[in-house]
Amino acid sequence: QVTLRESGPALVKPTQTLTLTCTFSGFSLSTSGMCVSWIRQPPGKALEWLALIDWDDDKYYSTSLKTRLTISKDTSKNQVVLTMTNMDPVDTATYYCARTPWGDDDIGGMDVWGKGTTVTVSS
Amino acid sequence: SYVLTQPPSVSVAPGKTARITCGGNNIGSKSVHWYQQKPGQAPVLVIYYDSDRPSGIPERFSGSNSGNTATLTISRVEAGDEADYYCQVWDSSSCVFGTGTKVTVL
Repeated sequence: QVTLRESGPALVKPTQTLTLTCTFSGFSLSTSGMCVSWIRQPPGKALEWLALIDWDDDKYYSTSLKTRLTISKDTSKNQVVLTMTNMDPVDTATYYCARTPWGDDDIGGMDVWGKGTTVTVSS
Repeated sequence: SYVLTQPPSVSVAPGKTARITCGGNNIGSKSVHWYQQKPGQAPVLVIYYDSDRPSGIPERFSGSNSGNTATLTISRVEAGDEADYYCQVWDSSSCVFGTGTKVTVL
């Protein structure tokens, strides 16, 4: 059974750095074709993709947030970590991680999601 | 950057068919994935690679993609289908989500 769970602080202050951890089971990020994505959703708004890391340690970022994001993985711990610098109240959102496997020709859908973790940015 | 446009809302009576569109420039050349999100819950993949259904997703859910429009079709709509639906593609190694459609079952 594949599961993912997000963890991190519920409250951060403006200008601080947010660190979120995605702990997963049921698959390995060292398996060829496997990736993990981070996605967020502000209250009442649409989904927004943030970053992806693949089995080969290649990293991809949202163009609009690229300068603030860092994604990394610890294969031995089955964890993916996302850091976001210079947090602002507009970054208040639920943050999700999701397994994202490659198909035969290109990257596929996000087939298993964590329940999400809510982050509020406020002083 | 690539933009995916969805209608904000679709209303449908129980037992009828709901069609949710996702518009994008030459989207037919890309693979489209669809997600269902109920209030307070994480999204669930309901269609991947335009028209494939993950295990556990009812056959009532189907997808198509051609030209500038991809479509998620929900046949024989049930009350439990009421949710937000998002389309998603990969474009130049970047993920793009649609604006989302709220499906209301009358």
